[in-house]
Amino acid sequence: AQSVTQLDSQVPVFEEAPVELRCNYSSSVSVYLFWYVQYPNQGLQLLLKYLSGSTLVKGINGFEAEFNKSQTSFHLRKPSVHISDTAEYFCATGGSQGNLIFGKGTKLSVKP
Amino acid sequence: NAGVMQNPRHLVRRRGQEARLRCSPMKGHSHVYWYRQLPEEGLKFMVYLQKENIIDESGMPKERFSAEFPKEGPSILRIQQVVRGDSAAYFCASSPRLADGEQFFGPGTRLTVL
Repeated sequence: AQSVTQLDSQVPVFEEAPVELRCNYSSSVSVYLFWYVQYPNQGLQLLLKYLSGSTLVKGINGFEAEFNKSQTSFHLRKPSVHISDTAEYFCATGGSQGNLIFGKGTKLSVKP
Repeated sequence: NAGVMQNPRHLVRRRGQEARLRCSPMKGHSHVYWYRQLPEEGLKFMVYLQKENIIDESGMPKERFSAEFPKEGPSILRIQQVVRGDSAAYFCASSPRLADGEQFFGPGTRLTVL
């Protein structure tokens, strides 16, 4: 069965520091991978997606992620975070019927 | 192009009442998905619908929950005889196609059962 594991439930970081949010997946089928961001009391917004092709994927708001098949990982990175990046981040993979399978989320807290 | 619309945004029900959650997908999107988010949990898939058809309901509880996506009008997630454990945020997402799985999410309905 497909699954997604987000290794850190909370990540505190200072403003302008780099950040990496970790995600590992398991899948026996073609891999589609996504990162979504959820701001408080809002829906999910797509940050970036990997469908095929280049393993380095660039998304919105300066985020990027690298697909690593050998390590079954899809970690999200940003070289310099802002206060406004404080949110919860979800890694997801595409299920066999098109539904998304989500990790439990990582709460990113950016401190001044 | 308006995004995915959900209403109500907040819904309070007493135990035993019915809850009806509505979702209008983005224009041109024929695939609708419902997810539930419990506190401190990620989103869990519930049901996948296309117009007038339930494609996959493997994530739906066997009792009290039902969903529809009629030919005209929004998709409805219905919860009968709500219990406190139904308190959660319910998100709807839509997609124009199945191929790459990208989904566009609504703002959610936060259900509180007293």
